[in-house]
Amino acid sequence: QVQLQESGPGLVKPSQTLSLTCTVSGGSVTSVGYYWSWIRQHPGKGLEWIGYIYNTGSTFYSPSLKSRVSISVDTSKNQFSLKLNSVTAADTAVYYCSRLRSFGTWSFDYWGQGTLVTVSS
Amino acid sequence: QSALTQPASVSGSPGQSITISCTGTSSDVGGYNYVSWYQQHPAKAPKLIIYEVNNRPSGVSNRFSGSKSGNTASLTISGLQAEDEADYYCNSYSNNNTWVFGGGTKMTVL
Repeated sequence: QVQLQESGPGLVKPSQTLSLTCTVSGGSVTSVGYYWSWIRQHPGKGLEWIGYIYNTGSTFYSPSLKSRVSISVDTSKNQFSLKLNSVTAADTAVYYCSRLRSFGTWSFDYWGQGTLVTVSS
Repeated sequence: QSALTQPASVSGSPGQSITISCTGTSSDVGGYNYVSWYQQHPAKAPKLIIYEVNNRPSGVSNRFSGSKSGNTASLTISGLQAEDEADYYCNSYSNNNTWVFGGGTKMTVL
């Protein structure tokens, strides 16, 4: 059973960089056919796809966030990370890490519990 | 890249069936069979209930079914139960290796 767990600061100051890590257990970030993803949900709002990284290191980002976001992977720790710079109050959200499965079954099949990040001074 | 369009809310009585629509464009829903649906209970992470338009993951009730016609995908829940009350989100692959979610639908069991 794959499990994902987000970790990182719950409070970030405006203009600073939001940094979160997702630790994967029960599976490997090097496995072929899986894309390791970040998704966020503004308070009381819908889901927003941020981006993902493949085991080759290839990354793909939402066009609306592309200029501020970076996703990386640490295979030695079986983790992947999100960095979002120049944050504002509009980046306050619950951030989820998730696994995007391919192989003819394209879907976000496993999710972390989510972590609330508040942007405030 | 705009969010897919879902009704804000739907409701039904126990035992009835409801359908939630998800409308996109030929660049996402209409162009690919990579539509999935997620159920989210309050303060919980989303849960996958339908993938690739009409496939159910193991363990998901067969009361949930999906379909697609043109640029619109649909989720049908039959035999409504109290536990089905939740928010539902559609998701689709879009052009250039991006993914887009719907705005979400609050489903209420009367």
